[in-house]
Amino acid sequence: DAKTTQPTSMDCAEGRAANLPCNHSTISGNEYVYWYRQIHSQGPQYIIHGLKNNETNEMASLIITEDRKSSTLILPHATLRDTAVYYCIVRVANFGNEKLTFGTGTRLTIIP
Amino acid sequence: NAGVMQNPRHLVRRRGQEARLRCSPMKGHSHVYWYRQLPEEGLKFMVYLQKENIIDESGMPKERFSAEFPKEGPSILRIQQVVRGDSAAYFCASSPLLDRNTGELFFGEGSRLTVL
Repeated sequence: DAKTTQPTSMDCAEGRAANLPCNHSTISGNEYVYWYRQIHSQGPQYIIHGLKNNETNEMASLIITEDRKSSTLILPHATLRDTAVYYCIVRVANFGNEKLTFGTGTRLTIIP
Repeated sequence: NAGVMQNPRHLVRRRGQEARLRCSPMKGHSHVYWYRQLPEEGLKFMVYLQKENIIDESGMPKERFSAEFPKEGPSILRIQQVVRGDSAAYFCASSPLLDRNTGELFFGEGSRLTVL
């Protein structure tokens, strides 16, 4: 699976959009971009995933560049409960083995 | 629909004892994954199981650790002769059958092992 690079930490004001970048310049054509987050001491939580088109769900939006070498997770109106470590993971969707390789992620702090 | 259930949530063991961690996947899920998170570190994959089969154990330590997912009952992660370095949070995740798979893993709340 391709390696990802994320900033170690970020701050965002409550109510503003939080934009979390991720670089995955070695991504292959059959690899998806997944985002998970881990709120302190809890189990990781799936947020969103995509292949090449932008995706949106009730939690967030995922913007993938045309060359697929980077992506941005957008939390449109950040709240204090969005404070967490956010993981960008690139992997082949090998249905039958969904093993995820977690990096160090971005520690997002929402400021009141 | 209950989520992934792990127990115990907290476990204290003395060095040399055995630790057994249990994981019941979400209803309808037949794939189970175990991860370990050491204090202030990221999650590390340990093992992937389907019912009665170990599919990928590339992250399991060679000694003292074993995992099973029997035909009936929860998945068990067993750590024999625990040492202080085994103190960590152990997370279980599950996913559904192949044909209903979206690539998403559903995680439990973890079991926190403390070795004295």
